[in-house]
This record gives sequence, structure tokens and C-alpha cells, in this order.
Amino acid sequence: DADVTQTPRNRITKTGKRIMLECSQTKGHDRMYWYRQDPGLGLRLIYYSFDVKDINKGEISDGYSVSRQAQAKFSLSLESAIPNQTALYFCATSAGTEETQYFGPGTRLLVL
Amino acid sequence: GQSLEQPSEVTAVEGAIVQINCTYQTSGFYGLSWYQQHDGGAPTFLSYNGLDGLEETGRFSSFLSRSDSYGYLLLQELQMKDSASYFCAVRHYGQNFVFGPGTRLSVLP
Repeated sequence: DADVTQTPRNRITKTGKRIMLECSQTKGHDRMYWYRQDPGLGLRLIYYSFDVKDINKGEISDGYSVSRQAQAKFSLSLESAIPNQTALYFCATSAGTEETQYFGPGTRLLVL
Repeated sequence: GQSLEQPSEVTAVEGAIVQINCTYQTSGFYGLSWYQQHDGGAPTFLSYNGLDGLEETGRFSSFLSRSDSYGYLLLQELQMKDSASYFCAVRHYGQNFVFGPGTRLSVLP
């Protein structure tokens, strides 16, 4: 069974719609992250959370919001989707001060 | 600011050795990590250097020199399955991770 899961795996939406991407983990990690991946730009951090009451903006947080509903769940919302938010989105987890991040399978989002 | 630079593409033949470089302009980080990502897949952790020097894990080795702001991933005895993108990353003292743009490795028969 996957340790880090993301739903949905693929999503097509229209400009202006609100959508939510969900991430769940069974690894027991306290830290969770949302990244966006665009061709040639690597992974860019959107938001990260070190525990349920801790939320931090990353490099590209504008147009996004997050919710850490529980230690195991971290959701990413696009309040009003726009076409340049079309990308591959990854959730990741890590434990304490460990260097290893564990990534979910990704959500491919297309905004028309 | 924080930025990492990598070559965009590298090509090598099966059985060869290839080195993927990562140069960075950042201060105050714990160490340099490397991740592998196959097309359509998620990044997976390969290696970490907290201290200067070489770390070896099977066919893969990674090196860090903080004084030169430079690191590299060395892949030996290349196999077709090594064709993938490789990302370097640092964990900044602000506790968040910053990734390089990635290097696409193509292994030819």
C-alpha cells in the first residue's frame, strides 16, 4: 500500500473554479509539503506544514491555500483556478529533521 | 536568495559512468540531497551529503564541497533503467527544501 496518497490523480477544471487536491499519509510524519512541477523548472514549494498548527508559505503561494486537517492530511486549494496553474502537483512528507522526503504519486491538473 | 543550477540534459551509453553536477548559490543549509524521477513518476530519494566528501550507495555516489558551492551525483555501470531526471535539493536553515531544475539523463544502448 502507498504511504503517501493523492486524490484525484488527474483533474480537468475551468478557469474560475475552486478545486481541492488532497494528500494523506500513513508514514506518521509530522512534516508535509505541497510542490508544483513545471517542465524545466523542477519542483517549486507552494506551502509546507511542520505540524497541525503550523502552516508556512513557500516560494509560490499566491493563488493557493492549504489546510492541515490532521497530522496525516494536508489539502491544497485553488480558490479560483487560472490556466497558468496547469501543472503536476506533488505532496511530500518528511520526519523531523530527516533529510529524506517521500512523495505522493502526483496530481495532474489542467485548467482550461 | 537560494538557487541551484544543473545541466538540463546528459546523454551516456550503457555501462558508462556519468556525473551530474549541481552548483548552488545559497547559504545556511544542512546538506545536499539527490532525487530520481522517472517519466510519469514521483521523485524518489537517492542520496544525501551532510558533510563535505563522497557518499557511496551501490552504483550511485554523491559528493559535496561547501567551499566550492558544488556537488555532484556519480552514476556508474549505467543501465537503461537509469534514464530519468535527477534533481539536487538543499534543506535550508528555514527548514524548507529548495530543488534544482533537474537534469534529464538518457542512457543509450
